[in-house]
Amino acid sequence: ETGVTQTPRHLVMGMTNKKSLKCEQHLGHNAMYWYKQSAKKPLELMFVYNFKEQTENNSVPSRFSPECPNSSHLFLHLHTLQPEDSALYLCASSQATRQEYNEQFFGPGTRLTVL
Amino acid sequence: KQEVTQIPAALSVPEGENLVLNCSFTDSAIYNLQWFRQDPGKGLTSLLLIQSSQREQTSGRLNASLDKSSGRSTLYIAASQPGDSATYLCAVKAAGNKLTFGGGTRVLVKP
Repeated sequence: ETGVTQTPRHLVMGMTNKKSLKCEQHLGHNAMYWYKQSAKKPLELMFVYNFKEQTENNSVPSRFSPECPNSSHLFLHLHTLQPEDSALYLCASSQATRQEYNEQFFGPGTRLTVL
Repeated sequence: KQEVTQIPAALSVPEGENLVLNCSFTDSAIYNLQWFRQDPGKGLTSLLLIQSSQREQTSGRLNASLDKSSGRSTLYIAASQPGDSATYLCAVKAAGNKLTFGGGTRVLVKP
C-alpha cells in the first residue's frame, strides 16, 4: 500500500447520479493530481492542485468538479456523467510542482463504471 | 505538444530472459523521466526516476537509461521472473509540470 489512498475503489453510477471520489495522501506533499486512464488510451492529466490552489485544468468537462480543501485531501465530484467517462481515475501527489524534479506517487485508483 | 511512445505494446518472454522496454518522446526539453509499473486494475508503482542531467538509474534488477538529445529511454529488467508480468509505463515531466505518459508495454513472463 502506498502513502496515497483512494476511496471508493469501485463505483457504479447512473448518468443522473451525483457521486464523489476521495483521495488522501499521507506523505506531507503539497501538490495533488487527478488522472484518467481509459481503456486503450494513455493516462491523461485532468487537474493539478498546488498548495490547495488549482493550477491546471486540462480542458476537462464541467461535469467533473475537483475540490482540494487542504494539502492532504482531494475530491472529484461527478454529476451527469456519460458512459464514455467510465475509466480508472488515479490520484497522485508530489512535493509542490514549483520544484520541477519531484517524483509523483500514485494511489490505487477508483474504477468507475457509468451505466 | 509532447508525445510519448512505447514500443512494443506487448511483449512475451520466457522466465530468465532479459527484458528491454523502449520509450521515446518528441520534445527533449524535459525535467525528468519516470518509469512505472501497473498491475491489472491497480494504480501505478514508481520504479525509477531519471533527472534530465542523468544518463541512467539502477535499482536491483532494473536499469533505466536516458538519452535526452535523441528523445529515448530504455528500461532493462535482468533475469525476468513471472512476478515481473505487468504493464510498464514511462512518463516525462516537461514545462508546465505535466507528466505525459506513453501507452505502456504489457509484459508477460512465462514460467
